[in-house]
Amino acid sequence: SQQGEEDPQALSIQEGENATMNCSYKTSINNLQWYRQNSGRGLVHLILIRSNEREKHSGRLRVTLDTSKKSSSLLITASRAADTASYFCATSRDNAGNMLTFGGGTRLMVKP
Amino acid sequence: DVKVTQSSRYLVKRTGEKVFLECVQDMDHENMFWYRQDPGLGLRLIYFSYDVKMKEKGDIPEGYSVSREKKERFSLILESASTNQTSMYLCASSRGARSFGNQPQHFGDGTRLSIL
Repeated sequence: SQQGEEDPQALSIQEGENATMNCSYKTSINNLQWYRQNSGRGLVHLILIRSNEREKHSGRLRVTLDTSKKSSSLLITASRAADTASYFCATSRDNAGNMLTFGGGTRLMVKP
Repeated sequence: DVKVTQSSRYLVKRTGEKVFLECVQDMDHENMFWYRQDPGLGLRLIYFSYDVKMKEKGDIPEGYSVSREKKERFSLILESASTNQTSMYLCASSRGARSFGNQPQHFGDGTRLSIL
């Protein structure tokens, strides 16, 4: 079963708009990671947020984590056509933190 | 930048063949992973290796085996390929969490494998 579940499954917006994707998980975590996957390519790590952090920024990306609600959100501001991709959240599945469980992903389309 | 290289982008094999998928990373990472990705099912972990000759089963190890004889190389073997193993296969590597804490995984571009 998937630890992380993204919502929505698909999102279509215009260039310049903000995109928000949500991730819910079931068990306690050490950290949560977000990845991007362009069509036909491998995943690329975007950002890692630890369980004692509530918010983290990286360029146009903002990630929040609410451990009480077991949820995280990824906000992409001022989206560009190049942001078109699938976005996945991932949580550690072992105590050592080596292995990850990925959610089903959100497919984002940014229209020029 | 970390580079994870998978030997083939596309591969077509026949049912019953023994299939080898190769993955090489150039950053001296302890951990290496094999996933398969299918529409509607997301990424599923097949096998994980945390050191040379060490491996752990993931979610779906049946029908697969792995080999890690050198730190930089992790091979996935389909012992007798079947049509339900048609999929996108992704290799990844990461530093060991025990030494460095939770670490991001670095992925190759995938091998799209078709079994006919």
